[in-house]
Amino acid sequence: ETGVTQTPRHLVMGMTNKKSLKCEQHLGHNAMYWYKQSAKKPLELMFVYNFKEQTENNSVPSRFSPECPNSSHLFLHLHTLQPEDSALYLCASSQGEGGSFGTQYFGPGTRLTVL
Amino acid sequence: RKEVEQDPGPFNVPEGATVAFNCTYSNSASQSFFWYRQDCRKEPKLLMSVYSSGNEDGRFTAQLNRASQYISLLIRDSKLSDSATYLCVVNMRRSGNKLVFGAGTILRVKS
Repeated sequence: ETGVTQTPRHLVMGMTNKKSLKCEQHLGHNAMYWYKQSAKKPLELMFVYNFKEQTENNSVPSRFSPECPNSSHLFLHLHTLQPEDSALYLCASSQGEGGSFGTQYFGPGTRLTVL
Repeated sequence: RKEVEQDPGPFNVPEGATVAFNCTYSNSASQSFFWYRQDCRKEPKLLMSVYSSGNEDGRFTAQLNRASQYISLLIRDSKLSDSATYLCVVNMRRSGNKLVFGAGTILRVKS
């Protein structure tokens, strides 16, 4: 499936590096999301964008900086990360918000390792 | 109390068995409910939405009990390919979309 794509699929970075994760959705959806999935923990919502506007920041540290230039693209800029930030970062999109329109479709994720 | 709670399992069942998973949620204002499936090292994929009247999709049946804040998923005639982690997901908002995921229940179907 190519509805939601993410690049890179794997990323190893040092604590002083700056990198960016990219997500693109080809489904014509209006809302996009970043989630973090750490080992043996539930998915944690990080950010929500609806029509390019950020509608949710779930108390995420400022070393994670999202950017949504349009409804199809979402970035997560990373800088001065910590080893505990190592996780699977998942992007998702949905047609709208709420009810059945809120059904989210996920990308394959970026597996991030911070050394 | 966790917002969405699930038994982590694993549930080890033989092929052909019927298995049921339960999930409870803490926010009585929650509006929509879903079951997602996540295979090992893959992204979550929507299995089915859960409606108040209950709904069925082939071998899968989902039930919602708002009074008890409880959701269930029943899988009949289990297949080897059903082996996965099943995530209970609740939208905590009346408007807007804040999905809260349970930690998941692991199912292993064996021949």
